[in-house]
Amino acid sequence: QKEVEQDPGPLSVPEGAIVSLNCTYSNSAFQYFMWYRQYSRKGPELLMYTYSSGNKEDGRFTAQVDKSSKYISLFIRDSQPSDSATYLCAMKPSGNTPLVFGKGTRLSVIA
Amino acid sequence: DTAVSQTPKYLVTQMGNDKSIKCEQNLGHDTMYWYKQDSKKFLKIMFSYNNKELIINETVPNRFSPKSPDKAHLNLHINSLELGDSAVYFCASSRTDYGYTFGSGTRLTVV
Repeated sequence: QKEVEQDPGPLSVPEGAIVSLNCTYSNSAFQYFMWYRQYSRKGPELLMYTYSSGNKEDGRFTAQVDKSSKYISLFIRDSQPSDSATYLCAMKPSGNTPLVFGKGTRLSVIA
Repeated sequence: DTAVSQTPKYLVTQMGNDKSIKCEQNLGHDTMYWYKQDSKKFLKIMFSYNNKELIINETVPNRFSPKSPDKAHLNLHINSLELGDSAVYFCASSRTDYGYTFGSGTRLTVV
């Protein structure tokens, strides 16, 4: 079983839709959970950062972490064509251990 | 002001050559990383440097050698390039247990 599993998609939705992106993981030591957005031919940029379980909201984006199920989600409300990108989940234990990434989900929002 | 800058952006070279990629960060972060992203967008950690000391060295061929002259710079030197080394290489930096800031990537093509 891979450490972090993420459905690669691609996922295509109409503008204004609610998008749900998910990752599962196997390492119970993971404490920090992040979502990165990567546009074509660009570096990943940090979108959401969550420590331990719970929800975090930032504008149209909501990140959820359920450590009991080893499951994290990113919701995008009122999706826009500018949201079209690859979304990568990432997570790590505490300390100097690097981030482990999911394979990324390619999202297209159609106007 | 570019926070994490990598040079060159593109690198096309022949098999067997030796090449270097440079990375600099002006964020005052204490840890820097090299990630490799394959054609399927999977980001895999190669090296991690904390205050000029190598703290992670994943199963990367010893043809790859990171060099950190100071905590703001982490360069990647590759000897005897092979076709399979073709990928996008990303430099990143962070403070411990915080999100990473990535550079824009170096697209390496070995012919």
